Amino acid sequence: AQSVAQPEDQVNVAEGNPLTVKCTYSVSGNPYLFWYVQYPNRGLQFLLKYITGDNLVKGSYGFEAEFNKSQTSFHLKKPSALVSDSALYFCAVRGDSWGKFQFGAGTQVVVTP
Amino acid sequence: DTGVSQNPRHKITKRGQNVTFRCDPISEHNRLYWYRQTLGQGPEFLTYFQNEAQLEKSRLLSDRFSAERPKGSFSTLEIQRTEQGDSAMYLCASSSRRDRERRTEAFFGQGTRLTVV
Repeated sequence: AQSVAQPEDQVNVAEGNPLTVKCTYSVSGNPYLFWYVQYPNRGLQFLLKYITGDNLVKGSYGFEAEFNKSQTSFHLKKPSALVSDSALYFCAVRGDSWGKFQFGAGTQVVVTP
Repeated sequence: DTGVSQNPRHKITKRGQNVTFRCDPISEHNRLYWYRQTLGQGPEFLTYFQNEAQLEKSRLLSDRFSAERPKGSFSTLEIQRTEQGDSAMYLCASSSRRDRERRTEAFFGQGTRLTVV
C-alpha cells in the first residue's frame, strides 16, 4: 500500500520569506512523487515531480522540491513567497500501484503582504 | 492540448435522483482517472481506465456509482439514487503512456461540483 502524509494543515508565511511545505510518503519500491496546487473552485495544477536522478527538482513558478530517501520525504520549497502563492498544496505518490495517484490531505498556504 | 474538460461545472440535484458527469481527456491520453474531493480533504481515488478498460475501482465506490469510457475517449461517471453524502467535487484527470507510465503526471480538469439537497 502507498500513503502520503502532509503534517501541517496550514502554513503561514510573510511575503518575501522562504516557504516550505512538508510531505512524507510510504511506498514499496521506487517512489514517483508529485506536487500539485489548487486554487479555490479549480482543479489541481501540476507543479513538479521526482522520478529519479538529482534529489533537488525544479518546477513551475519558482518552486522546487527536495527528495530525501532516508527520511522518505519530499518537501516543497520556494525561496521567496508571493501573496499569489496562497493556495492549497497537495503531495502525491505513485509507487506500487501502476495506476492511481495517492494524495495527501493537503496544506493550505497563506502568504501575507 | 486543450486540457481536460469536465461538464457540467456545477450540478444541484435532489436526493434520490440520478446524475451523470462527463470528462473529455487530453487528446491521445490513454489513462483517465476519477477522483472525489470533499471540503478540506485531498482527492480520493475512485477509478481509472486505460483506454476503454476499467483497471481499478476503489472500495469506496458503492454499487450506485458506475463509470464508463466507451471507445477509450471521453468518460462518464453516473451516480444513481444520490445521497447527501455524495455532495463533493468530482475530478477527472488524464495522463499519457509516453515515457513509461509511472513517470508521467496527471492533468486535471476543473471538476464538477455536486450538491445533493
